[in-house]
Amino acid sequence: DAGVTQSPTHLIKTRGQQVTLRCSPKSGHDTVSWYQQALGQGPQFIFQYYEEEERQRGNFPDRFSGHQFPNYSSELNVNALLLGDSALYLCASSLGGQGTETQYFGPGTRLLVL
Amino acid sequence: GNSVTQMEGPVTLSEEAFLTINCTYTATGYPSLFWYVQYPGEGLQLLLKATKADDKGSNKGFEATYRKETTSFHLEKGSVQVSDSAVYFCALSAGSSYKLIFGSGTRLLVRP
Repeated sequence: DAGVTQSPTHLIKTRGQQVTLRCSPKSGHDTVSWYQQALGQGPQFIFQYYEEEERQRGNFPDRFSGHQFPNYSSELNVNALLLGDSALYLCASSLGGQGTETQYFGPGTRLLVL
Repeated sequence: GNSVTQMEGPVTLSEEAFLTINCTYTATGYPSLFWYVQYPGEGLQLLLKATKADDKGSNKGFEATYRKETTSFHLEKGSVQVSDSAVYFCALSAGSSYKLIFGSGTRLLVRP
């Protein structure tokens, strides 16, 4: 049973560039959430996708956008990168409609912005 | 708003010592509560969860009981091992919200 997978594992970008991160959910899951984890902090919710729509969004600017595909995989796009966007980006998958469903996390993509 | 507060680390213990990591929460309604563990350089792994008051979650020797009267979900283990060294996060999901709200994490270091 494949767990949540993310790519790439590491990424280095410069300020102003754009980045796309990818996530494949755990088998059987249809919901994908994205979190940003700054060094030494707990993860912060960016947004969640369900049925190819953004269902809920955290307190992140519009530079952060996403997409969910019919096979439930998802992308996180960040435009106009800032130094402060350097973080571990975590994808989590879960099943369906209830907000209290357990979320299972991938290994993350570590983004460094220079 | 909803929030989670964890004891600050690092917590340093000798192998076989008793572990408690405190977690308290603020939430409307009846949240679900979770403990996640993060090993160095990795993502988060679900350790245990509880979805209603007085539920006890347990896994790999770790336990936590959902206490609504004290709004707490403290993590305990009777005898820690060096391999338990990691960062532990308490989290909640509540009401109609789909997001997890995390505490700031507690680093545990177990010495042989």
